[in-house]
Amino acid sequence: DAGVIQSPRHEVTEMGQEVTLRCKPISGHNSLFWYRQTMMRGLELLIYFNNNVPIDDSGMPEDRFSAKMPNASFSTLKIQPSEPRDSAVYFCASSFPWTGPSGNTIYFGEGSWLTVV
Amino acid sequence: AQKVTQAQTEISVVEKEDVTLDCVYETRDTTYYLFWYKQPPSGELVFLIRRNSFDEQNEISGRYSWNFQKSTSSFNFTITASQVVDSAVYFCALSDSGTYKYIFGTGTRLKVLA
Repeated sequence: DAGVIQSPRHEVTEMGQEVTLRCKPISGHNSLFWYRQTMMRGLELLIYFNNNVPIDDSGMPEDRFSAKMPNASFSTLKIQPSEPRDSAVYFCASSFPWTGPSGNTIYFGEGSWLTVV
Repeated sequence: AQKVTQAQTEISVVEKEDVTLDCVYETRDTTYYLFWYKQPPSGELVFLIRRNSFDEQNEISGRYSWNFQKSTSSFNFTITASQVVDSAVYFCALSDSGTYKYIFGTGTRLKVLA
C-alpha cells in the first residue's frame, strides 16, 4: 500500500521566493498533519486538518506560512516569501479518524528537505 | 504537563551487541499512548510501535522488544543483535487520550558499527 507521498523531496530556493510543498495522505485517512523538523526545535506540529478542515493552525510560525487541503487526497503547505530560517525538513503525516480504534497513530511521509539560501 | 525525555543523545555499539534506548514520560492523564519512530539516514520517519496505557505487556517483534513500565513511567526499546541497518535516530512520543498532539522526545542517535 502506498504511504504518505510528499513532493518535492528536496528543494533549494532563494530567499523571497514562494515555496509550495505537496502531500497525498494515505487513502482512507481523514486526519492530516504538517510537521517541521529542525535541529534546534525538533519536531513541531504546524497544522492539523480533520476531514479537510483546518482544526489547529496554532503551530504555523507566521503569516508567511499557509496550508490548504482542497480534498481528501491532497494538501499543500506554502511559504511566501521564504526566508533562510525556514530551512528545515517538512513532514506531512496522516492517520485514521482520531477517535476511532485505529486512530492516534500517525504515519509520516518521507519529508521535504527545504533549503532557503 | 506532558513531557518525553530521551536522555541518551547518542549511542554507539558494535554489530551484534544488544542495545536499549530509554524513554521516560510525564503525563497527568490516565489514558495515553506511547510510540516509537525510527528515522534512518534517508530521513523518513517510520512508525514502529504504539502502546496504550492500559496494556503493560511487553512486546517483541523480531529483534525489537519494548518494555513498558507504568511504575517508572518508562517505555524502553531494546534491539537484540544489532545490525548496521539499525543505525538511525529513534524517537519516543506521547499522546494523551483525546488529543491529536504528539509530544516527541529529542531522539537518540544509534550508531551500529560493523
